[in-house]
Amino acid sequence: AQSVAQPEDQVNVAEGNPLTVKCTYSVSGNPYLFWYVQYPNRGLQFLLKYITGDNLVKGSYGFEAEFNKSQTSFHLKKPSALVSDSALYFCAVRDYLDSNYQLIWGAGTKLIIKP
Amino acid sequence: EAGVTQSPTHLIKTRGQQATLRCSPISGHTSVYWYQQALGLGLQFLLWYDEGEERNRGNFPPRFSGRQFPNYSSELNVNALELEDSALYLCASSFGASGGYEQYFGPGTRLTVT
Repeated sequence: AQSVAQPEDQVNVAEGNPLTVKCTYSVSGNPYLFWYVQYPNRGLQFLLKYITGDNLVKGSYGFEAEFNKSQTSFHLKKPSALVSDSALYFCAVRDYLDSNYQLIWGAGTKLIIKP
Repeated sequence: EAGVTQSPTHLIKTRGQQATLRCSPISGHTSVYWYQQALGLGLQFLLWYDEGEERNRGNFPPRFSGRQFPNYSSELNVNALELEDSALYLCASSFGASGGYEQYFGPGTRLTVT
């Protein structure tokens, strides 16, 4: 079965600095990878996904993620952090289980951007 | 385009009662997923419906059940409520069941069991 790990419970970044939220995965075959963001007391919002093609994927709100097959990683990045980026971020990978596809979710990383 | 909607926004129940949560997917989406999120933590997968059928369920007791209607809306029922069922219940929908389509989430229903 596939799995996904977000090794950091929390990431602290100063406003204006670049940010990285880490995600690693374990798959058999080609991975389908996703990033979501959850603002306080809200549902999750889709940011971006990788299925195939260019290893650098651009998404909403200026975020991008780099797919690295050799390191089995899919880190989320942004060149210049905003205070409004403070939220909970989830990485997910598609799994094939019990004859169905489903998403396997990471535990989430809390991103705190300090002014 | 209207997003995923959930009702009610908040629900307060007493231990032992039953709760019913509702979800309307984005128009054209056939898959509906239910998740439990306790205390702003990770997502726990509950149920997945597609084309009216239950496709998969997570590691939850049978008192968590649901259904999907012909218009693809869905209902989550929780019987014999326990205090630990207090959580944010999120519904999501996607275009198909292949897993390659992103899921779109509703705002959630906050269930409080007293």
